[in-house]
Amino acid sequence: GESVGLHLPTLSVQEGDNSIINCAYSNSASDYFIWYKQESGKGPQFIIDIRSNMDKRQGQRVTVLLNKTVKHLSLQIAATQPGDSAVYFCGAGSYQLTFGKGTKLSVIP
Amino acid sequence: GAGVSQSPSNKVTEKGKDVELRCDPISGHTALYWYRQSLGQGLEFLIYFQGNSAPDKSGLPSDRFSAERTGGSVSTLTIQRTQQEDSAVYLCASSSREDTQYFGPGTRLTVL
Repeated sequence: GESVGLHLPTLSVQEGDNSIINCAYSNSASDYFIWYKQESGKGPQFIIDIRSNMDKRQGQRVTVLLNKTVKHLSLQIAATQPGDSAVYFCGAGSYQLTFGKGTKLSVIP
Repeated sequence: GAGVSQSPSNKVTEKGKDVELRCDPISGHTALYWYRQSLGQGLEFLIYFQGNSAPDKSGLPSDRFSAERTGGSVSTLTIQRTQQEDSAVYLCASSSREDTQYFGPGTRLTVL
């Protein structure tokens, strides 16, 4: 099966700085990876995803990097804003995803 | 509304009672998932429906948990004889085949 872990349970960044949230997965057969943002009391909100045939994918202010060699996934948020404060968690797998526990991002104004 | 909806948003019940949680997926999405999120924990997969195929029930924690999906759309998660450890947020997600999963707001279940 798959197991997913996040490197840091909490992360504090200064407003305007870039944020990097890291995730490790265990199953080399996983071919789909996804990042969600979850604000308090709300359901997870899709941020960005990537398939195993890619190493990098960019969205608006966000970039996901996939390193299949070391089974590592990261989410980069450019110019972090107070509205980015939330719990971020990654998922890995195929149709059945395994999720990490999440990293709580706090943005310092 | 274009998103996944769930009801009720909050449910408080007494230990031993049965509860039903409802999920309305995004129209046209063939795949539907149920997850459980306990305080400070990640998402725990419960069950997966894809079209008319037999559901993947491998994540259901006990036989007190069951789910059905009628007409390939609305799904109901039923927990019988609730226990305090069942207290959690129950999240539903839907997707178009094995594409991006979109989550609903969740149902917060509290078992007293």
